[in-house]
Amino acid sequence: EAQVTQNPRYLITVTGKKLTVTCSQNMNHEYMSWYRQDPGLGLRQIYYSMNVEVTDKGDVPEGYKVSRKEKRNFPLILESPSPNQTSLYFCASSFLGATEAFFGQGTRLTVV
Amino acid sequence: KQEVTQIPAALSVPEGENLVLNCSFTDSAIYNLQWFRQDPGKGLTSLLLIQSSQREQTSGRLNASLDKSSGRSTLYIAASQPGDSATYLCAVYPDTGNQFYFGTGTSLTVIP
Repeated sequence: EAQVTQNPRYLITVTGKKLTVTCSQNMNHEYMSWYRQDPGLGLRQIYYSMNVEVTDKGDVPEGYKVSRKEKRNFPLILESPSPNQTSLYFCASSFLGATEAFFGQGTRLTVV
Repeated sequence: KQEVTQIPAALSVPEGENLVLNCSFTDSAIYNLQWFRQDPGKGLTSLLLIQSSQREQTSGRLNASLDKSSGRSTLYIAASQPGDSATYLCAVYPDTGNQFYFGTGTSLTVIP
């Protein structure tokens, strides 16, 4: 089954404790991206990757890091999480950036 | 920067009714537009993707139209069912860009 898998689904952590949210897709897609969703603001892109070893900032990259060492994986790293990073995070993939996008089920992160 | 607006923010209709969801965008230089459905705990699912050269796309009871010059798209749902209850998101991909820009969605409730 074609899918994008994110882990964990829920996470509560404390300020400053490094964490990684994993994302994996099984569709051999070139393009992957991370979004955060906040009430009243919609989905905003954090980072995207056009291909292996190619990543670039989206609209809200501050406080986040990503890497794309393999085509299927695109982890999101929060080196020092802060409460303003409490949000619902989505990973997405597509063959190209403008083609049909497939989303993971989301990771609800709470930073206290 | 592209801004996407969806009105109304919430809509409640009785089962069987035909309904229209609206999406407007500020910059008409788009490559395509995509409609998504978001269910709680299940991420986003792509419903329809309309290329900028197309006027509409259909899938089952769903029909999406695009008026690029006026910066508008509509999603028409025929004979609504309780299972259609979800949040519907509109997203546009600019001609010169690397991401979709999302509206904040319309939350639809279909009452049995």
